[in-house]
Amino acid sequence: GQNIDQPTEMTATEGAIVQINCTYQTSGFNGLFWYQQHAGEAPTFLSYNVLDGLEEKGRFSSFLSRSKGYSYLLLKELQMKDSASYLCAVRAGETDKLIFGTGTRLQVFP
Amino acid sequence: DAGITQSPRHKVTETGTPVTLRCHQTENHRYMYWYRQDPGHGLRLIHYSYGVKDTDKGEVSDGYSVSRSKTEDFLLTLESATSSQTSVYFCAISELAGGSRTDTQYFGPGTRLTVL
Repeated sequence: GQNIDQPTEMTATEGAIVQINCTYQTSGFNGLFWYQQHAGEAPTFLSYNVLDGLEEKGRFSSFLSRSKGYSYLLLKELQMKDSASYLCAVRAGETDKLIFGTGTRLQVFP
Repeated sequence: DAGITQSPRHKVTETGTPVTLRCHQTENHRYMYWYRQDPGHGLRLIHYSYGVKDTDKGEVSDGYSVSRSKTEDFLLTLESATSSQTSVYFCAISELAGGSRTDTQYFGPGTRLTVL
């Protein structure tokens, strides 16, 4: 079957670093996406990994290990506006269908 | 931001009534998707389209139908709404299929549907 796991909730302090993990078991793998979703809003694209390693984009970085079925999203210099849900999604197989995890709700405190 | 709009943004309806949600894009992207998002389930694919008049079922397609007569519009119909279809519905678009950054899915603002 297809399964994506990520923690339900996390808390962190403004200015700190937080790592959100995602593990997946899917039939085939063709890329992993991270999305950010503020409450009541649409998901917005953050990052994409298809090869092993780290992709850095400003304060956000995403890591992938295909052999371990594992990814993480690293958020540095946390700001209050980073309080949101973070969705891990895997494209499995040759089509463009994405399988989403249930999301990790991150709360950033002053 | 990708040019995607959804209408209506909010709707309250009664069990047994038909409901149609509209997704409109101005990006001329080939692929369009309908998802529903519920607490504890994340985003689940209902139906998707890979071109005009070309559609296929997703993970949770029972009770839903779709149509795509123009590149820019993708309609989701609940033939006879049930309370279990109360959810937030998101439309998404992508340019391509396959493993590349350019086929990222971009989401519309969502429609909050309540079935009483």
